[in-house]
Amino acid sequence: NAGVTQTPKFQVLKTGQSMTLQCAQDMNHNSMYWYRQDPGMGLRLIYYSASEGTTDKGEVPNGYNVSRLNKREFSLRLESAAPSQTSVYFCASMGTSHTGELFFGEGSRLTVL
Amino acid sequence: AQSVTQPDIHITVSEGASLELRCNYSYGATPYLFWYVQSPGQGLQLLLKYFSGDTLVQGIKGFEAEFKRSQSSFNLRKPSVHWSDAAEYFCALGNSWGKLQFGAGTQVVVTP
Repeated sequence: NAGVTQTPKFQVLKTGQSMTLQCAQDMNHNSMYWYRQDPGMGLRLIYYSASEGTTDKGEVPNGYNVSRLNKREFSLRLESAAPSQTSVYFCASMGTSHTGELFFGEGSRLTVL
Repeated sequence: AQSVTQPDIHITVSEGASLELRCNYSYGATPYLFWYVQSPGQGLQLLLKYFSGDTLVQGIKGFEAEFKRSQSSFNLRKPSVHWSDAAEYFCALGNSWGKLQFGAGTQVVVTP
């Protein structure tokens, strides 16, 4: 089972460049999330989507945009990358029961020079 | 405001010894509490969760956690650790809308 798939796994950008992180889940989950993980700070929520067609800001949304393309896909876009956005990004999904069980992708390591 | 704190950044434990990881939370209502584990280079995996009821919760891989409302704590325990338990562990606080707030994590190193 694929679960949650993120691409790319690694990316190096120059300051000011743009890129999109792609995420897809095959579990028919309604809710999808984007987190960033930085040393000593745990995971911080960037944006989430409770259902197809809706998105909401999380704890650290500045510098990011998201698109819930359909029920399966939730993309994260950096319009003008900054060194502070160097991080590991995780996409996750959760089923309709909101049991709290997040299913995570394997992460995307982004470096901004 | 809600918050979740993991006081220990790093713990070293001998294989076969017991392990306890601390988690404290601040939340105005009955919390939804979780423990996740992250192996190197991987995403997070749910170990166990507490919503209500029995305050001692059993999870996967032989882990358990105890919810103590009076101490605002949800500590994770394992009686005898294995080398494969070396990982980073995250406590998380959730709400009914499915949003989770994670602690900073505790790195567990297992020595022979």
